[in-house]
Amino acid sequence: AQSVTQLGSHVSVSEGALVLLRCNYSSSVPPYLFWYVQYPNQGLQLLLKYTTGATLVKGINGFEAEFKKSETSFHLTKPSAHMSDAAEYFCAVKKNTGFQKLVFGTGTRLLVSP
Amino acid sequence: GAGVSQSPSNKVTEKGKDVELRCDPISGHTALYWYRQSLGQGLEFLIYFQGNSAPDKSGLPSDRFSAERTGGSVSTLTIQRTQQEDSAVYLCASSGRQGRSDEAFFGQGTRLTVV
Repeated sequence: AQSVTQLGSHVSVSEGALVLLRCNYSSSVPPYLFWYVQYPNQGLQLLLKYTTGATLVKGINGFEAEFKKSETSFHLTKPSAHMSDAAEYFCAVKKNTGFQKLVFGTGTRLLVSP
Repeated sequence: GAGVSQSPSNKVTEKGKDVELRCDPISGHTALYWYRQSLGQGLEFLIYFQGNSAPDKSGLPSDRFSAERTGGSVSTLTIQRTQQEDSAVYLCASSGRQGRSDEAFFGQGTRLTVV
């Protein structure tokens, strides 16, 4: 069965600093990988996804993530944090065979200070 | 509509009463999910519908919880004899129009408060 581990329930950065949110997955077959963002009192919104092809994936709002099969990781990064990036971030995995359910990590709350 | 629609957006109910939460997925999407998000917690998977296959009910926390999906479209999550610990935001998502790699699209959620 697939699973996702997000290290750190909270990550704090200063405005302008590098953002790094960690995600490691477990999957018996090559996975599809996703990052979602949830702003306060809103639903989840897709940031980016990896399916096949290029392992470095660029998403909205300047975020990107790199699929590293050897490390079973899909960490989310952004070179320079903005105050508006403060939100909850969820990593998710799905098998790429047949129709499979999406499995989420427990989330990481990003706090951005001035 | 263009997105996933959930109703009601807020629901306050008395302990012991039954509640029904509704989800209208994006037209043509074959997969539908229900998740629960308690205050300060992550996403708890509840149930997954995919086409005409038997639903994956492995996340339902007790037999007070049930869900159905009529005609492969609208879904209703029912909670019987509500308890205070059922208070949470219930999120619905759908996916599947463009293939297996499709991401899930989420509704805004129903905030359930049991008093």
